This record gives sequence, C-alpha cells and structure tokens, in this order.
Amino acid sequence: DAKTTQPTSMDCAEGRAANLPCNHSTISGNEYVYWYRQIHSQGPQYIIHGLKNNETNEMASLIITEDRKSSTLILPHATLRDTAVYYCIVRVAQNYGQNFVFGPGTRLSVLP
Amino acid sequence: EAQVTQNPRYLITVTGKKLTVTCSQNMNHEYMSWYRQDPGLGLRQIYYSMNVEVTDKGDVPEGYKVSRKEKRNFPLILESPSPNQTSLYFCASSLSSGSIYYEQYFGPGTRLTVT
Repeated sequence: DAKTTQPTSMDCAEGRAANLPCNHSTISGNEYVYWYRQIHSQGPQYIIHGLKNNETNEMASLIITEDRKSSTLILPHATLRDTAVYYCIVRVAQNYGQNFVFGPGTRLSVLP
Repeated sequence: EAQVTQNPRYLITVTGKKLTVTCSQNMNHEYMSWYRQDPGLGLRQIYYSMNVEVTDKGDVPEGYKVSRKEKRNFPLILESPSPNQTSLYFCASSLSSGSIYYEQYFGPGTRLTVT
C-alpha cells in the first residue's frame, strides 16, 4: 500500500472550514484514499473514502487531485468536537485481509 | 445500536497471568481485527479474521492468540502477558462482500497494563 504524508498538526478556528492535506504520490490506480479520525484515545472513526472522484457525506468532503497524488479532507464548519487526530490511508479496496496502516496522522485543534 | 464492544475497558495484571479481552459486534460483519496502539508507533494490526474459523496474523502477532468460533465474537488471548504488551487495544469489524473492502468500525478500546 502507498505511503502517505500528512502535516503533524494544524489549527482551525471554530466555525471555519478545516482543510487537511494528504500527499500520496506513489498511489496506484486501484488504491482508494480513506480518512479516519481518532478523538482522544477513543476507537478510530471512519469519515470518508474515494478513488478518483470527489466525495461528500454528512461529515466531510474529500477532494482528490486529478493526478491522484494528493487529497484534501474538508470539514466545512469545524466545531470543538472535531478536535482529533486525522489519518489518511491509501490501500487497495480488495485487500481487506491485509494490514490497514495508520500513520501518525494530523492532530487538528479546533480553537474557540 | 450498531456497535463493537470490548471488555474489560481497563485491566492491570501481572506478568505471566493469562488473560482474555473479549470483542463482540452486532452488525453481522464477516471481518474482525485486533490492533494495538502505542505512542509513536500508531495502530498496528495483531490478528484478523475474515470469517468464522478463519484467522491470520497481522504485523505484530507474537504473544497473542485469537479464535473465531462465532461470527459476532473475536476474543484476544494473552497466554503469558509481559510488560511489553502494555498498550491500548482496539477491536474492529467490517462488512465484506466478495472482494470489496468496507470501512472498519472500532470498539472503545481496552487499556492494558502488565506489571
């Protein structure tokens, strides 16, 4: 599975959009981009995933560049409860038996 | 409510005393997995199971055992715990349909301390 690079930490003002970048320059054509988050020491929570088209759900939007070498997770109106570590993961969708690698992620702090 | 439950949530034990951490899911998921999380090392997979009676090693299986006798349960067994198994443990499950991977649902975690 491709390696990802994320900033160590970011701050965002409450009510503003939080844009979390992820670089995955070695991504393969059949690898999806997944985003999870972990609030304090709770279990990670799935947010969204995509292959090449932009995706949106009730939690966030995922923007994937045309060359698929990077993506951005957007929390449109960040709240204090969005303070968490956000993990960007790329992996083959059919490879569910293999390891799902969580890197160090980005620690997002939403400030009042 | 759809959920993954783990018990106990906190456990302090001594070296060598066998223990079991239970994991149960009520979503009829085929795939279940155990992770441990340590500072600076992220989440690492210990074992996973693709269905009843089908288990396989993850990245860090040494010192652990698992079993999958029922679809909903996936206990993690430490036959002879050692201090280096002090960690935060997460169980996860996901639906699988053919070869498609779906998102994982994680339990609340079990904080284990081995003295």
